[in-house]
Amino acid sequence: GAVVSQHPSWVICKSGTSVKIECRSLDFQATTMFWYRQFPKQSLMLMATSNEGSKATYEQGVEKDKFLINHASLTLSTLTVTSAHPEDSSFYICSARLGDASRYEQYFGPGTRLTVT
Amino acid sequence: AQSVAQPEDQVNVAEGNPLTVKCTYSVSGNPYLFWYVQYPNRGLQFLLKYITGDNLVKGSYGFEAEFNKSQTSFHLKKPSALVSDSALYFCAVRDIGTSGSARQLTFGSGTQLTVLP
Repeated sequence: GAVVSQHPSWVICKSGTSVKIECRSLDFQATTMFWYRQFPKQSLMLMATSNEGSKATYEQGVEKDKFLINHASLTLSTLTVTSAHPEDSSFYICSARLGDASRYEQYFGPGTRLTVT
Repeated sequence: AQSVAQPEDQVNVAEGNPLTVKCTYSVSGNPYLFWYVQYPNRGLQFLLKYITGDNLVKGSYGFEAEFNKSQTSFHLKKPSALVSDSALYFCAVRDIGTSGSARQLTFGSGTQLTVLP
């Protein structure tokens, strides 16, 4: 149980275009999902916290107009990288929360490798 | 504020030997502590966690970790390393504040474990 999927697993796009990444909790409902970014050989950096039915909470330094997050249902959150540039190339990982705010587990998706040419 | 330190970027160990990956943490309240493993171009896989109870926690794939409150450490261990254990390991902490609400998961910088045949 507690499986999180991401689609696509990898994507190559041209500079200036937009890319949408989907994160799904397959066997549980997730009121909260998290989006992380990871550079090669580095740790995960939290980008934003996505809550179902409300606006995402972005971490300091993350451009909300560039990284659009939508959490339309209890099993789906999407991250759209708008007007992508080569510096946006990275590994993006989503995570879904199972449990309430005081005591919960996070389950991670397999990640999406974005390459902007 | 909460933080996690993994002092070693790289750990090399011979197959069959015991391995230790170090982690220390800093929180203001009570910690939830986690270990995750990441294989190349993959998301994070949960290994084990400490919430409360026995200081020695047993997890997946024969790994275990010892919670040491006085030293604020949570080192990952395995009695006999396998070549297939070679991967990137992340320690993470979540501070449970005095109000009972959980704060965000904070990751260490990661330790690359290489098990030599």
